[in-house]
Amino acid sequence: DIQLTQSPSFLSASVGDRVTITCRASQGISSYLAWYQQKPGKAPKVLIYAASTLQSGVPPRFSGSGSGTEFTLTISSLQPEDFATYYCQQPNTYPYSFGQGTKLEIK
Amino acid sequence: EVQLVESGGGLEHPGGSLRLSCAASGFAFSSFAMNWVRQAPGKGLEWLSFISHTSGAIFYAASVKGRFTISRDNAKNSLYLQMNSLRAEDTAVYYCARQYCSDTKCSFDFWGRGTLVTVSS
Repeated sequence: DIQLTQSPSFLSASVGDRVTITCRASQGISSYLAWYQQKPGKAPKVLIYAASTLQSGVPPRFSGSGSGTEFTLTISSLQPEDFATYYCQQPNTYPYSFGQGTKLEIK
Repeated sequence: EVQLVESGGGLEHPGGSLRLSCAASGFAFSSFAMNWVRQAPGKGLEWLSFISHTSGAIFYAASVKGRFTISRDNAKNSLYLQMNSLRAEDTAVYYCARQYCSDTKCSFDFWGRGTLVTVSS
């Protein structure tokens, strides 16, 4: 099974900051990686798929990069609505898996 | 507008059974693979099961294999999860999610709002 490990698990930042979240896979997954944002009490929302493709309607301040075993999600300038929990996911090899999540909090 | 609406959650005793449903609308349900994902209180996302658009391919997480059964009825635009031998650790919000793939690169592009399952004596 493929394990995904996100770092950090918690991140405190301010509006306007640039932040980066890392997701490491236990084995190579090419570019088969998606990123999701989840706000309390809500369903997850896809931000990025295929490691770097921005989902339609997602603001361009979100970007993804990486391939193989190391991936990053970057938010170029944090907005108040970006404070949420972020998950990476590999949706290619069964069993599918999610990272443990990164909670982004307001400093 | 794409909509996924889960139902069937509730309180069940350990060892009991529940059947979750996910009603789909606003898209060609029979053309898309679907998944179930759960989230225990205060915890992260856990993928549970996949079913292809024709039901020809089905996969499960080890944590539910042999206890849960995924199925779909394309004529009724509905997805199901039959959950047997429930345990306390199955307590979670259960989401159905549509899988969208662009040239083999996939994601879960639409999710329902979830239904809460509580397993307790």
